[in-house]
Amino acid sequence: IAGITQAPTSQILAAGRRMTLRCTQDMRHNAMYWYRQDLGLGLRLIHYSNTAGTTGKGEVPDGYSVSRANTDDFPLTLASAVPSQTSVYFCASSAIWDTGELFFGEGSRLTVL
Amino acid sequence: DAKTTQPPSMDCAEGRAANLPCNHSTISGNEYVYWYRQIHSQGPQYIIHGLKNNETNEMASLIITEDRKSSTLILPHATLRDTAVYYCIVRGNSGGSNYKLTFGKGTLLTVNP
Repeated sequence: IAGITQAPTSQILAAGRRMTLRCTQDMRHNAMYWYRQDLGLGLRLIHYSNTAGTTGKGEVPDGYSVSRANTDDFPLTLASAVPSQTSVYFCASSAIWDTGELFFGEGSRLTVL
Repeated sequence: DAKTTQPPSMDCAEGRAANLPCNHSTISGNEYVYWYRQIHSQGPQYIIHGLKNNETNEMASLIITEDRKSSTLILPHATLRDTAVYYCIVRGNSGGSNYKLTFGKGTLLTVNP
């Protein structure tokens, strides 16, 4: 079934290491998003991209960077991981001029030690 | 974007209707009400959305009060698989600059056999 693919599904990482979470969608959606989910805090938006070539900051962008070189891919990079970045990360997409319905991936569980 | 208030948890008997309330007293005229849910360990799933009128689809019904300050998501015949966290979200319409959704803490609905 088409949709959002995230990789890796799970990763343990040493503090200070660089990590890129991959996200690919095959729905030709214009907009893509990265959220993190932490117990008691719900889902918080990290970065978003309205269309290829543009990105924007969400609620909690510090320590993360994104790029949107094409429509399908929206990688999230942690340049130097810290333990507070231990979380479950969800990528999502939406057809920006459509209903606003977001399609989510199954998540990437990241543990920073 | 307007903030929302939801009860942290609710219970429902299997086969009965589940009615999940949401308050959004500061909603503005062009803001939509969206509902998502998240089943344990999965990505969030879009359910339904509306502006002023009541809406129904194959998953649920959305009832929005006339003053639009509150809404209720109705699952007509809840099943055990409907156990999830349900998020009520008010989405701003900023003329195309972004269509991001802000998730709160939601309501944990537990459907009991």
